[in-house]
Amino acid sequence: DAKTTQPTSMDCAEGRAANLPCNHSTISGNEYVYWYRQIHSQGPQYIIHGLKNNETNEMASLIITEDRKSSTLILPHATLRDTAVYYCIVRADRGSTLGRLYFGRGTQLTVWP
Amino acid sequence: NAGVTQTPKFRILKIGQSMTLQCTQDMNHNYMYWYRQDPGMGLKLIYYSVGAGITDKGEVPNGYNVSRSTTEDFPLRLELAAPSQTSVYFCASSARQGGGISTEAFFGQGTRLTVV
Repeated sequence: DAKTTQPTSMDCAEGRAANLPCNHSTISGNEYVYWYRQIHSQGPQYIIHGLKNNETNEMASLIITEDRKSSTLILPHATLRDTAVYYCIVRADRGSTLGRLYFGRGTQLTVWP
Repeated sequence: NAGVTQTPKFRILKIGQSMTLQCTQDMNHNYMYWYRQDPGMGLKLIYYSVGAGITDKGEVPNGYNVSRSTTEDFPLRLELAAPSQTSVYFCASSARQGGGISTEAFFGQGTRLTVV
């Protein structure tokens, strides 16, 4: 079962920041928050992940609240090529569910010119 | 750098036919996975493997079988195709780090299967 709640759709103007929220109120102490995206039915692509600290890489930033019950993926300067379905996933990196990803329906982000 | 390769890309099957979806990865990853994605839905885990010779069921394993004889290959077998198996199938792999931690997953480009 997906343990996350995301808005069904969002839109954003090209060049502006896209902020995608995710609620994961039942997250466990050993579970990470992962973000993937899927562009036009291609295979999902890894974006970023974090445990409790904010993270940044060349694609995006991940802000996790102090209580870890929600997070926000930030695409700082959205482009048309960022139009995709974005999946927020909580995943344990140890134990019986090791490595498995449980996907919800994600958020369809549309970037418009 | 091939990553995860799936074949075929498209296939049409008749009800009751069987087929094998091929998946191979060249990253020496221990963990491999099969997912299916129905229209408008997220991905559902079918089977996964933590290493050669070891496989286990995911959320929706009925109607499928897998084997993992090598690190590189993880084929998915459909024995008696049914219309409900019309879907897009994705294979993925991830590496095993120290302490048993799994890295992020890399996905193939998918196999689009239609059962008529």
